Amino acid sequence: QVQLQQSGPGVVKPSQTLSLTCAISGYSVSGNSVAWNWIRQSPSRGLEWLARTYYRSQWYYEYAVSVQGRITINADTSKNQISLQVNSVTPEDTAVYYCGRQFRGALDFWGQGTMVSVSS
Amino acid sequence: DIVMTQSPDSLAVSLGERVTINCKSSQSVLTSSNNRNCLVWYQQKPGQPPRLLFYWATNRESGVPDRFSGSGSGTDFTLTISSLQAEDVAVYYCQQCDSVPFTFGPGTKVDIK
Repeated sequence: QVQLQQSGPGVVKPSQTLSLTCAISGYSVSGNSVAWNWIRQSPSRGLEWLARTYYRSQWYYEYAVSVQGRITINADTSKNQISLQVNSVTPEDTAVYYCGRQFRGALDFWGQGTMVSVSS
Repeated sequence: DIVMTQSPDSLAVSLGERVTINCKSSQSVLTSSNNRNCLVWYQQKPGQPPRLLFYWATNRESGVPDRFSGSGSGTDFTLTISSLQAEDVAVYYCQQCDSVPFTFGPGTKVDIK
């Protein structure tokens, strides 16, 4: 059974960097029929797709324009996990962050969610 | 970006009654590579991540009760619950997966009358 276990801080200070990790079990991060995504959810913005990465003989990375330049998604094959880094956070980055596996276009497995507050 | 809209914003119906949720995309989500509509439906309960209900608009995910059905094509899609059960109280979201950035509808809250 595929499981995604998220870890990361619950509070980040403005202008600092948010780092989240999503450990994957039951499936290889390098699997060539899936993609690995980060999504966030807040009352003001709803569900917002942020980024994805996938392996098709090489690694590909795609980002939402709204956060491009500030975020980085990475895959670590040695640990079978993905990560998300958000630079220069502001209170607008306060949200619940989810990782998710994408298969046949749909996010079929999700992490448990990490509530991140940007506050001094 | 493809904009997803849903209607209604919320609804309350009696147990056993039919529920219909509409989702509209600002452009067609018919994927040329496989001639399928890249439209997904999720159910989300408080404190939980979204749960996949349907992929490619009409394909029910394993474990989803058959009182749920998905229909539609092009830009107009519908999620139907044929007979509302207490455990169906949740917020329902549609999402297009045809092009990046993947975008979600604002959600439809379903409650018991």
